[in-house]
Amino acid sequence: ELKVEQNPLFLSMQEGKNYTIYCNYSTTSDRLYWYRQDPGKSLESLFVLLSNGAVKQEGRLMASLDTKARLSTLHITAAVHDLSATYFCAVDINNDMRFGAGTRLTVKP
Amino acid sequence: DVKVTQSSRYLVKRTGEKVFLECVQDMDHENMFWYRQDPGLGLRLIYFSYDVKMKEKGDIPEGYSVSREKKERFSLILESASTNQTSMYLCASKGGALLYEQFFGPGTRLTVL
Repeated sequence: ELKVEQNPLFLSMQEGKNYTIYCNYSTTSDRLYWYRQDPGKSLESLFVLLSNGAVKQEGRLMASLDTKARLSTLHITAAVHDLSATYFCAVDINNDMRFGAGTRLTVKP
Repeated sequence: DVKVTQSSRYLVKRTGEKVFLECVQDMDHENMFWYRQDPGLGLRLIYFSYDVKMKEKGDIPEGYSVSREKKERFSLILESASTNQTSMYLCASKGGALLYEQFFGPGTRLTVL
């Protein structure tokens, strides 16, 4: 059974600091997604990682994928308050999408 | 821009009622999905459809059924609603040129009393 584990589940960090969210999954997959969700809102697509070694960056967020280790990371650089949200990773096995439990990020001044 | 719309943002129903949640996408996507989201559990896939009249069970299909009579519309049906089906329901679609990107609707918060 495919399992997707994210950690940490809760993350409180100060503005200007760096941190990494981890996403481990249990079955081979070449498609890994990262989403952002603001309170009361739906999910917004951040990154789609399609191959081993893929790295994508948007602003202060950078995502990477290691399919051999079955690990993806979402790295936050010099956090700002606007990044406060819940971040989900998801793995796609032939359209069967499995999500991690989410990481609730709070960035404090 | 891809648009995925859901018929209701909030819905309150009674135990035993039949409930229909509708989802419409305007990008001619082949694939459509229904998830439920519960605190601490992330999103869980209920059903997905890869074509008209085609459906596949996801992780938690029990107590739900789906219908896809037209490409743009995917309905989730709760035959006899129960209190443990109180949740946020999210519809999504993917396909076309952005084959790997999945777009979500705004969600329906369903409360079953």
